[in-house]
Amino acid sequence: DTGVSQDPRHKITKRGQNVTFRCDPISEHNRLYWYRQTLGQGPEFLTYFQNEAQLEKSRLLSDRFSAERPKGSFSTLEIQRTEQGDSAMYLCASSHGQLNSPLHFGNGTRLTVT
Amino acid sequence: GESVGLHLPTLSVQEGDNSIINCAYSNSASDYFIWYKQESGKGPQFIIDIRSNMDKRQGQRVTVLLNKTVKHLSLQIAATQPGDSAVYFCAEKGGSSNTGKLIFGQGTTLQVKP
Repeated sequence: DTGVSQDPRHKITKRGQNVTFRCDPISEHNRLYWYRQTLGQGPEFLTYFQNEAQLEKSRLLSDRFSAERPKGSFSTLEIQRTEQGDSAMYLCASSHGQLNSPLHFGNGTRLTVT
Repeated sequence: GESVGLHLPTLSVQEGDNSIINCAYSNSASDYFIWYKQESGKGPQFIIDIRSNMDKRQGQRVTVLLNKTVKHLSLQIAATQPGDSAVYFCAEKGGSSNTGKLIFGQGTTLQVKP
């Protein structure tokens, strides 16, 4: 399968703990995106990478959130001091660098903060 | 600000009938639109896209129509099948954005009755 891969699929953590998610994009895609989706809502943009550079961050991304893409391939999203409001599906997507290329999504990491 | 919305939260159709899912957008500068299908527990799956210089685009059993005058987008599914049951999202890319990020609506749930 050469699609976008996310790990883990599910994560249950206690409030206050740190969690880290990984995304492996489609290999030839240089753009990578993180989105968050809550139940019954559409995905909300969090952040965007062009190769290894993080070029845009949403206001939704508080100081407790950090994302990296150190070698321009896989990416990690870390949430520090998790809160119950962080419970959501975290989706990763990738695309070609051409203008108006569709985003291809992984199946997400579902985070539950207890 | 930008917003993308769908007219109906749930659409129920009979197997074999045609389905039409509607979407309204507010940013007249948007130049690229995409429809995604999301099944339970999975990430959004690309269906079809359309650029603002087009009014209509056809794929396999799907057609997207774009009416820029009234800022309306629709997805037509021909001969709807049980496997089409899912949540459908429209998404737009802002005309001023060069990141390729997408803004999603809230989704319409399509239920196909056998």
